[in-house]
Amino acid sequence: DVKVTQSSRYLVKRTGEKVFLECVQDMDHENMFWYRQDPGLGLRLIYFSYDVKMKEKGDIPEGYSVSREKKERFSLILESASTNQTSMYLCAGNKGSANTEAFFGQGTRLTVV
Amino acid sequence: SQKIEQNSEALNIQEGKTATLTCNYTNYSPAYLQWYRQDPGRGPVFLLLIRENEKEKRKERLKVTFDTTLKQSLFHITASQPADSATYLCAAYSGAGSYQLTFGKGTKLSVIP
Repeated sequence: DVKVTQSSRYLVKRTGEKVFLECVQDMDHENMFWYRQDPGLGLRLIYFSYDVKMKEKGDIPEGYSVSREKKERFSLILESASTNQTSMYLCAGNKGSANTEAFFGQGTRLTVV
Repeated sequence: SQKIEQNSEALNIQEGKTATLTCNYTNYSPAYLQWYRQDPGRGPVFLLLIRENEKEKRKERLKVTFDTTLKQSLFHITASQPADSATYLCAAYSGAGSYQLTFGKGTKLSVIP
């Protein structure tokens, strides 16, 4: 059974903290994605990676960075968390072609106080 | 800029009727369109994919169409049931050769018994 697993389901952090959101997939898939989802704004792409050590900015990369040192792991980093980064974060992965489905993790609800 | 738009935020429908959801794209021509279902607090789950040269695709009570002239995909659920209540998202890669998977904001479907 294909799985994308996010390390935390709920997370509460303080303003200014460095936050790591981890995502692991067991699909041997090339592409991995980080989205955030907010009411009325839908899923917005933060960063994606199409190979180990490769990364590209999505639509809203400001305030975030990513790391992909191994194929199965894609980390999202909030260098200095702010309250406007309170959101649902979703990780996804898929094969490297346009006709394949994306598999999502269960999501991490991050609250920055 | 390239956009995927789902103009209806919410749709209410009576049980047993056919629900029709719309997805429009602008400023590009995706070769494939995907549809996902998302339940509250969960990650999206893939439902169907349709190619630009396929007019229609079916899976059980689900049907998707792709009209490249209108730049539109329609998603139909026939004989709708309360269990079909969820948010439905369309998605496509942002242009030929792109790895960036972009989603519409989604349409929240409520099937009323």
